[in-house]
Amino acid sequence: GENVEQHPSTLSVQEGDSAVIKCTYSDSASNYFPWYKQELGKRPQLIIDIRSNVGEKKDQRIAVTLNKTAKHFSLHITETQPEDSAVYFCAASIRGGKLIFGQGTELSVKP
Amino acid sequence: NAGVTQTPKFQVLKTGQSMTLQCAQDMNHEYMSWYRQDPGMGLRLIHYSVGAGITDQGEVPNGYNVSRSTTEDFPLRLLSAAPSQTSVYFCASRTPSGNTIYFGEGSWLTVV
Repeated sequence: GENVEQHPSTLSVQEGDSAVIKCTYSDSASNYFPWYKQELGKRPQLIIDIRSNVGEKKDQRIAVTLNKTAKHFSLHITETQPEDSAVYFCAASIRGGKLIFGQGTELSVKP
Repeated sequence: NAGVTQTPKFQVLKTGQSMTLQCAQDMNHEYMSWYRQDPGMGLRLIHYSVGAGITDQGEVPNGYNVSRSTTEDFPLRLLSAAPSQTSVYFCASRTPSGNTIYFGEGSWLTVV
């Protein structure tokens, strides 16, 4: 079946460093790839998304890249801050409009 | 707009009991879904609906039932709770043409 693999499961960086989280997907028909941030005890919140007709998208310190040929996409956070500490989820759309999520990455930014 | 509203926020059940998690949205979204979240496994789709009267199974539907009698409401029923259903449950909705999913605040369920 369709699935999304996300790595790493945990990531620890120093404040000011960059963080990169990678995902691969299996359904070649997937055309929408969002990223969600979830703080402890809260609901997931959309932080950035990309569609299959675009290779890269930026929003301030956050960027997402997509390689459709290789079926992988990545989240890049630059100049990390302690408030970036959270669990991040990638997702990919599959037929029927469903979203399949990766397993999550727990990012810890140390001051 | 209240967005997506879930109740209850916390619930403890005994094995074999039944219960219903309520979900309502006031954004006139046709697409609604239920996910469960377990450590290390991300968010897994339980059931979803593309409109009133239409439901379908997701990745992990066993042990759960849903119905969609109105556009606004999408309840999730556990007919005979099992410890394996201990989890955090999220209801979500979006428009048919939009991809942005709006999540409810979550329901923490413990089955003992």
